Amino acid sequence: KQEVTQIPAALSVPEGENLVLNCSFTDSAIYNLQWFRQDPGKGLTSLLLIQSSQREQTSGRLNASLDKSSGRSTLYIAASQPGDSATYLCAVRSDSWGKLQFGAGTQVVVTP
Amino acid sequence: GVTQSPTHLIKTRGQQVTLRCSSQSGHNTVSWYQQALGQGPQFIFQYYRKEENGRGNFPPRFSGLQFPNDSSELNVNALELDDSALYLCASSSRGTGVETQYFGPGTRLLVL
Repeated sequence: KQEVTQIPAALSVPEGENLVLNCSFTDSAIYNLQWFRQDPGKGLTSLLLIQSSQREQTSGRLNASLDKSSGRSTLYIAASQPGDSATYLCAVRSDSWGKLQFGAGTQVVVTP
Repeated sequence: GVTQSPTHLIKTRGQQVTLRCSSQSGHNTVSWYQQALGQGPQFIFQYYRKEENGRGNFPPRFSGLQFPNDSSELNVNALELDDSALYLCASSSRGTGVETQYFGPGTRLLVL
């Protein structure tokens, strides 16, 4: 059974610092991995999707890496801003029909 | 984008509730998730071409429908206090090879 874990549960950094968010999963046979952002009481915004054959994806200040063999993904956010404050969730898909299994998320606060 | 209605709902234990979702145009797959406070979303079920196509660990009192006009419903009968959560729907286009799921803003359900 796939288990997805995100550590730490919460993180506070001063503006300008780089953010490093971790996601681990127990079954390396994944189809893809997706990172989401969730603002309080809101839905999910997709940030990056990494296919199982890829090692990383980049979008602007965001970079996500994937190491299937060790069951890890890392989301890097460069030069953090107060607007980056949110909860970040990772989710893995283990088969082709789209069910996502989520971690509990990392709550990020970026202080001015 | 994906829209959901209503945004908030208060029900009492034992009642029935219907939540609605309008998928992104052209998407043929809709998934429903339940997110309890402080947790990651949990997969309820998925509909593909109007047929249920996978279910998570949720009892039969959770049911759904998918309509020809890209809309769908989640019905919950005999509401329990633990059903209080944010309910998210996500649409995607199955068969394209890259199946990013696009989430709606969610419906916050409170069961008293």
